[in-house]
Amino acid sequence: ELKVEQNPLFLSMQEGKNYTIYCNYSTTSDRLYWYRQDPGKSLESLFVLLSNGAVKQEGRLMASLDTKARLSTLHITAAVHDLSATYFCAVLDMRFGAGTRLTVKP
Amino acid sequence: KAGVTQTPRYLIKTRGQQVTLSCSPISGHRSVSWYQQTPGQGLQFLFEYFSETQRNKGNFPGRFSGRQFSNSRSEMNVSTLELGDSALYLCASSFLQGPSTGELFFGEGSRLTVL
Repeated sequence: ELKVEQNPLFLSMQEGKNYTIYCNYSTTSDRLYWYRQDPGKSLESLFVLLSNGAVKQEGRLMASLDTKARLSTLHITAAVHDLSATYFCAVLDMRFGAGTRLTVKP
Repeated sequence: KAGVTQTPRYLIKTRGQQVTLSCSPISGHRSVSWYQQTPGQGLQFLFEYFSETQRNKGNFPGRFSGRQFSNSRSEMNVSTLELGDSALYLCASSFLQGPSTGELFFGEGSRLTVL
């Protein structure tokens, strides 16, 4: 059975700090997706990683994919309050991880 | 370009009733997926339709069903509602043709409360 595991599930950060969210998956997948969900809202696409070694950056977020290790990371640089949300990773066939609820505190 | 539209946005039903939710995908998208989101179980895949055919199905009982029409609009139905069916039901569409990334575009969801 395909498993997609994210950690941590809850993350409380201070503004200005860096941190990394990890996404491990149990099956072969050459692509991985990151989505963001604000409270009470739907999901919006953040990154689409289409090959081994892919790296994408937008603002303070950077995502990378290692298909051999079956691992993707979402790195947060100098966190700001606006990044507070739940972040999901998903693999082929759109199975989602449990989500990482990020809270950025002043 | 209009996004994914889900109706109704909110609804309240009682146990034993049935409910139909509707999803209109982004124009040109032929793949529609449905997800159930609850605080306890997270985001769970229900099923995916492409060109009116169910391509994938999650691990849900037969009370949950869906279909897709020739215009790519999709409906999902839940019969004999149980309290545990209370959830946010999300629909997502994807292009999935040619050099597609497979990225999903989500609607705002239909929040179902079962009393």
